[in-house]
Amino acid sequence: DSGVTQTPKHLITATGQRVTLRCSPRSGDLSVYWYQQSLDQGLQFLIQYYNGEERAKGNILERFSAQQFPDLHSELNLSSLELGDSALYFCASSPGPGDEQFFGPGTRLTVL
Amino acid sequence: GENVEQHPSTLSVQEGDSAVIKCTYSDSASNYFPWYKQELGKGPQLIIDIRSNVGEKKDQRIAVTLNKTAKHFSLHITETQPEDSAVYFCAASPTNFNKFYFGSGTKLNVKP
Repeated sequence: DSGVTQTPKHLITATGQRVTLRCSPRSGDLSVYWYQQSLDQGLQFLIQYYNGEERAKGNILERFSAQQFPDLHSELNLSSLELGDSALYFCASSPGPGDEQFFGPGTRLTVL
Repeated sequence: GENVEQHPSTLSVQEGDSAVIKCTYSDSASNYFPWYKQELGKGPQLIIDIRSNVGEKKDQRIAVTLNKTAKHFSLHITETQPEDSAVYFCAASPTNFNKFYFGSGTKLNVKP
């Protein structure tokens, strides 16, 4: 158990819908990262937050947005969902940038 | 942006043999290179990392080598055991650790 929690574990929804994925980092970690893992694209870095502030964006679509709250938990919002958004979404946390990242168990999103 | 290539995509070895996984990267600004192990149904877990001021790093049966001139780095696992069977990912990140670029993964199968 990495200490990072993600909810829900599974999510099934329809095209065009909007969902929110939640991540609680390890106690004391200030950095949160979001990744998308799909069969054809591999593991893709989406976005990084540090102590509530966005630090870097990777291959994150405009339909996706995220935030980190004052209690350091983070949410990833996916809207106007398409079939191709079906994937595993991982959250990771670390004490700070450059420190070891600890990954959560992931949220499996299925868009029908 | 950075492009990380990883080979081979699958690797099958006999228990006790060594396994080598290779990655190349394109951006000379990358200077942090972590390796992750992902077991079925779990999130990736950091197993070893190397920074560009070091050419080699070892941790028990696992070692990583880095050649900055040639822009490639490799993971070496000696005396493989069945519990080493998993998918391994290499990654690269620039100095400020703001983004992370992953290889496509290597599925390692250690036969007892």
